[in-house]
Amino acid sequence: NAGVTQTPKFQVLKTGQSMTLQCAQDMNHNSMYWYRQDPGMGLRLIYYSASEGTTDKGEVPNGYNVSRLNKREFSLRLESAAPSQTSVYFCASSDPTSGIPHEQYFGPGTRLTVT
Amino acid sequence: AQSVAQPEDQVNVAEGNPLTVKCTYSVSGNPYLFWYVQYPNRGLQFLLKYITGDNLVKGSYGFEAEFNKSQTSFHLNKPSALVSDSALYFCAVRANQAGTALIFGKGTTLSVSS
Repeated sequence: NAGVTQTPKFQVLKTGQSMTLQCAQDMNHNSMYWYRQDPGMGLRLIYYSASEGTTDKGEVPNGYNVSRLNKREFSLRLESAAPSQTSVYFCASSDPTSGIPHEQYFGPGTRLTVT
Repeated sequence: AQSVAQPEDQVNVAEGNPLTVKCTYSVSGNPYLFWYVQYPNRGLQFLLKYITGDNLVKGSYGFEAEFNKSQTSFHLNKPSALVSDSALYFCAVRANQAGTALIFGKGTTLSVSS
């Protein structure tokens, strides 16, 4: 199993450009998440998808959109990139059962720079 | 609102000495608590979790954590630190309002010197 994979690993954008970050998991997990990591701020939840067909906003959703394409894939889109979106983005997945939270499995991250 | 605090940005210990990374939380209802570790340029790796039951939880790489409900703490411990334990450590609590999403602390950098 590859676990959680993310593409690309690195990206540089100019202000106003758009891009989509891709995430896929092969663990048959129901729930998937997008976080951003900034120095001194830990990880902050952007969007999550509790199950296929559903998405919900997290703590910092502004400027982002998501698509849960199928059970395996959960993409994050920046429609008009801003320098404030320079960050490291992590995708994660988990398989909660009967309301008991399981640990989340994280991808390797995408390092995004917006100039 | 649910939150988690890691009061120390950095913890320095000598190899072979015990280490503690502190975490306190605020949550309504029963907390679900987690510790993750992040090595440079890598994603987060799960270390251990407290859901219910025994307050002392054992995890990967010899780490353990103790749930203390009265002090709302979930400190991470290891009896004998290794240089290879040097990394960024995150405590997290389940956010009930957001389904199964987690709220993370800001992280504590552990540096173990030889």
